[in-house]
Amino acid sequence: GDSVTQMEGPVTLSEEAFLTINCTYTATGYPSLFWYVQYPGEGLQLLLKATKADDKGSNKGFEATYRKETTSFHLEKGSVQVSDSAVYFCALSDPSQAGTALIFGKGTTLSVSS
Amino acid sequence: NAGVMQNPRHLVRRRGQEARLRCSPVKGHSHVYWYRQLPEEGLKFMVYLQKENIIDESGMPKERFSAEFPKEGPSILRIQQVVRGDSAAYFCASSQTGQGPEAFFGQGTRLTVV
Repeated sequence: GDSVTQMEGPVTLSEEAFLTINCTYTATGYPSLFWYVQYPGEGLQLLLKATKADDKGSNKGFEATYRKETTSFHLEKGSVQVSDSAVYFCALSDPSQAGTALIFGKGTTLSVSS
Repeated sequence: NAGVMQNPRHLVRRRGQEARLRCSPVKGHSHVYWYRQLPEEGLKFMVYLQKENIIDESGMPKERFSAEFPKEGPSILRIQQVVRGDSAAYFCASSQTGQGPEAFFGQGTRLTVV
């Protein structure tokens, strides 16, 4: 079945460092891809998404490009802030099936220090 | 978050008791998803409901777990005779169209079984 694999954390960075969180997926069809963020004690928030190959999702300085050839959707940010400390989840869904649930990776904890 | 309300935020139950988790979706949303997040794991889909109907319960344990989404009132996830392994964060998401990626997540209920 479909699955998502993320790099294990925690990822510890200093403020203004460059961030990459790797995500690869396995899917039988052409999934939509997502990054969600979970701040401490909060629910998940959609950070960005991409629905087809070569699409780039972006939001709040974060970017991820849908790479069909490498089945990847790596999250990047050029300069992280302390406020970016959170857990990041890569996820996919099959848009051809109405109501389909999301399939999540295990999450990567990011800790940014000043 | 866009208005999905879950309560309680924290719930402590002794082994063998019942746990009832409530989810009020965003106004106008008729599709509800429940996910479970075990420690150090990503979110796992449990059940997808529309008003008065269970659409997909493929992620629900076969015993002790049930869910409903009545015509009036919140969606309820019920866990009977809880065991320590049920300790987790339970998240609800709602959507208008039934497409999982467009769902908004609640803040979750953290269940602790002692």
